[in-house]
Amino acid sequence: GNSVTQMEGPVTLSEEAFLTINCTYTATGYPSLFWYVQYPGEGLQLLLKATKADDKGSNKGFEATYRKETTSFHLEKGSVQVSDSAVYFCALSRTFSGGGADGLTFGKGTHLIIQP
Amino acid sequence: DGGITQSPKYLFRKEGQNVTLSCEQNLNHDAMYWYRQDPGQGLRLIYYSQIVNDFQKGDIAEGYSVSREKKESFPLTVTSAQKNPTAFYLCASRARSGLTDTQYFGPGTRLTVL
Repeated sequence: GNSVTQMEGPVTLSEEAFLTINCTYTATGYPSLFWYVQYPGEGLQLLLKATKADDKGSNKGFEATYRKETTSFHLEKGSVQVSDSAVYFCALSRTFSGGGADGLTFGKGTHLIIQP
Repeated sequence: DGGITQSPKYLFRKEGQNVTLSCEQNLNHDAMYWYRQDPGQGLRLIYYSQIVNDFQKGDIAEGYSVSREKKESFPLTVTSAQKNPTAFYLCASRARSGLTDTQYFGPGTRLTVL
């Protein structure tokens, strides 16, 4: 079945440091891949997505590239800020052969802490 | 503003009681979803609905029930059969048409069983 594995947290960095959060997946077919961010006590916000191999999703300085050969979708940011502190979830879409979507499969989340 | 609303934000329930969580969306989305979030376990799919009057079980449907009588609404009932209901519950929706499969989430309801 489908699964998503992402690095365990918490990840603690200093402000302006380079960020990488690793994400690898197992899936049948050609899923879309997503990064969501969750701030304390809130729902999930879509950060970025990629729908096919070699696509790069980007938003707010974050980037991730859909690598089919390594089944990975690592999240990167060149210079993090204190406001980036949150929990980050990697996810993939689950689709029927007929094209309907039956939900997302999530990783367990990575808690990111940025210190000033 | 278009979006997804969930109410209440916090909910307390005594053991043995059923409780219903509300989810409403005004995005004109066809598909709606319920997830459960537990610490350190990410999100797990409870139920989903692709169109009105139709819904399917997800990975952890036991002890839960849903209805989809209107496009805008997808309430979740946590029954007394759910053995460990304390969790954060998230509702999401998705536009069915086109190629997009992006889901948008509500703010969540935190349920605590006393």
